[in-house]
Amino acid sequence: AQSVTQLDSQVPVFEEAPVELRCNYSSSVSVYLFWYVQYPNQGLQLLLKYLSGSTLVKGINGFEAEFNKSQTSFHLRKPSVHISDTAEYFCAVSGLQETSGSRLTFGEGTQLTVNP
Amino acid sequence: EAGVTQFPSHSVIEKGQTVTLRCDPISGHDNLYWYRRVMGKEIKFLLHFVKESKQDESGMPNNRFLAERTGGTYSTLKVQPAELEDSGVYFCASSKQGRDEQFFGPGTRLTVL
Repeated sequence: AQSVTQLDSQVPVFEEAPVELRCNYSSSVSVYLFWYVQYPNQGLQLLLKYLSGSTLVKGINGFEAEFNKSQTSFHLRKPSVHISDTAEYFCAVSGLQETSGSRLTFGEGTQLTVNP
Repeated sequence: EAGVTQFPSHSVIEKGQTVTLRCDPISGHDNLYWYRRVMGKEIKFLLHFVKESKQDESGMPNNRFLAERTGGTYSTLKVQPAELEDSGVYFCASSKQGRDEQFFGPGTRLTVL
């Protein structure tokens, strides 16, 4: 079984400031890791994913995340945010093994609000 | 290419009534998932279809929920009878292969009064 904890439910920042959205996970098996974003009145959109290889993953819209196996974390970062980044962000995992299935286990979401 | 579509976008019903939600996946996607987000909580998995077969329905909360996927195309999720705790946003997602990126629809917001 897997679980995901997003440590901050709300993150307010000013435009052009850096931001980090934190995500920790717990799993008895190896996992794939994902960050999704939901803009108002839209579906979830994949920002980036970690499957294997380099622990620093770059995604769309200037976001990146780093997989830290020892700390079981997958924090999302952006060096300079824009007003348009205001959205809710979800961290998710899925089990690597076939027996785990391909379903996603999500955290509770982090609302990022970028203020002018 | 059209994305995942869901109908209706909003539904308000009274306790005890029946509601049917529909999801049209991306054409050619064999995998279809249903998820639900109750207000303020995490998005939770409900079930997974591969074509018309239920691959995993371990997340279905109880037997008031019935999901079908006719001919491996669109899917419906029926709630009968609806209870207050069924309120939330129901998301559908699809993928081509089992471990490919899942593409999400905009969700159906269900309110049970």
